[in-house]
Amino acid sequence: QKEVEQNSGPLSVPEGAIASLNCTYSDRVSQSFFWYRQYSGKSPELIMSIYSNGDKEDGRFTAQLNKASQYVSLLIRDSQPSDSATYLCAVPEKAGNNRKLIWGLGTSLAVNP
Amino acid sequence: NAGVMQNPRHLVRRRGQEARLRCSPMKGHSHVYWYRQLPEEGLKFMVYLQKENIIDESGMPKERFSAEFPKEGPSILRIQQVVRGDSAAYFCASSPSVGETQYFGPGTRLLVL
Repeated sequence: QKEVEQNSGPLSVPEGAIASLNCTYSDRVSQSFFWYRQYSGKSPELIMSIYSNGDKEDGRFTAQLNKASQYVSLLIRDSQPSDSATYLCAVPEKAGNNRKLIWGLGTSLAVNP
Repeated sequence: NAGVMQNPRHLVRRRGQEARLRCSPMKGHSHVYWYRQLPEEGLKFMVYLQKENIIDESGMPKERFSAEFPKEGPSILRIQQVVRGDSAAYFCASSPSVGETQYFGPGTRLLVL
């Protein structure tokens, strides 16, 4: 059974700082990776997806993938209080098939004004 | 373009009653996924459906739970003879095809008294 692990946090950063969230997964065949944000009491919303080794940037968010080391990270630059949420990492159970995602438990991020 | 819709948003049932949760996917999406999220736990895949077909129900309990996605109308997750342990948030997600990004509905919070 594939496993996806995240530090539960809470990760606390001051406003304007860079928040770094990490996710490791248990096998080497995973091809696609997803970061979702979930506010308390709300549903997950997609932040970024990444498929290739290296960095992918979208606004203040950067996803970094290292398949050899089996980790994917999410960097949030210029953190804002509105970024305070739980960040979920998801990996498909089977390579090439995104229908069943395996989810980490999430990292709670608190951005302090 | 309306997003994924779920109803009811909150549902209270007594032990032994039936719960019916509905999900209307985004327009143009023919793939539906159901997830359960227990308090302080991660998202757990339950079932994946296409119109009139259950494709993968490997995450759904064998007893009391069933799901359908008829040709017309919303997808329905049905829980018979609910128990307190069924209390959770149930999320539906949809995608235009397998392998595409999943978009989540607002969820149904089920409370079993």
